[in-house]
Amino acid sequence: DTGVSQNPRHKITKRGQNVTFRCDPISEHNRLYWYRQTLGQGPEFLTYFQNEAQLEKSRLLSDRFSAERPKGSFSTLEIQRTEQGDSAMYLCASSSNRQGYEQFFGPGTRLTVL
Amino acid sequence: SQELEQSPQSLIVQEGKNLTINCTSSKTLYGLYWYKQKYGEGLIFLMMLQKGGEEKSHEKITAKLDEKKQQSSLHITASQPSHAGIYLCGAVSNLEYGNKLVFGAGTILRVKS
Repeated sequence: DTGVSQNPRHKITKRGQNVTFRCDPISEHNRLYWYRQTLGQGPEFLTYFQNEAQLEKSRLLSDRFSAERPKGSFSTLEIQRTEQGDSAMYLCASSSNRQGYEQFFGPGTRLTVL
Repeated sequence: SQELEQSPQSLIVQEGKNLTINCTSSKTLYGLYWYKQKYGEGLIFLMMLQKGGEEKSHEKITAKLDEKKQQSSLHITASQPSHAGIYLCGAVSNLEYGNKLVFGAGTILRVKS
């Protein structure tokens, strides 16, 4: 399977705990995006990377959120001191200038904060 | 900031019927993506439109971009149960390729067999 993969697929945690999600983009895709989706809404942009550089962060990304893409390949999204409002589907997408920057999405990580 | 409005919010159609979903932008569309999503899963890329008047088709799904009206439509011909899901339109928020997408809230499609 050469698509975007995300782990874990589901995460249940207690309020106040830290969680980390991983995204593996399509091989050689230089851009990687994180989005968040709540029930009944479309995805909302969080941040994106070009190679290892984080180029933009949304206002949605509070200081409890941090994202990294250390070697320009996989990326991690960490949420510290989780709150119930963080419960959502976290989606990762990747794209390449060789494919017209079409964004291909992974299956998502569903986070439930109790 | 750019906003996308999708209509209808949901629809139920009888198998074999045609249907259209609309996506209207508050600003000029520089690129418009259509995705399909099954509940609880990721987004499946359908089509991307860039030029005014552009039209693309894939199997029984056709998408058009009317740049003048800042609107795109997605038309499904002879709907099948496999077409059921959530259809999302997403727009490039500015002229820079590869930038973030702004999404509509989605249209829920149910197909009765």
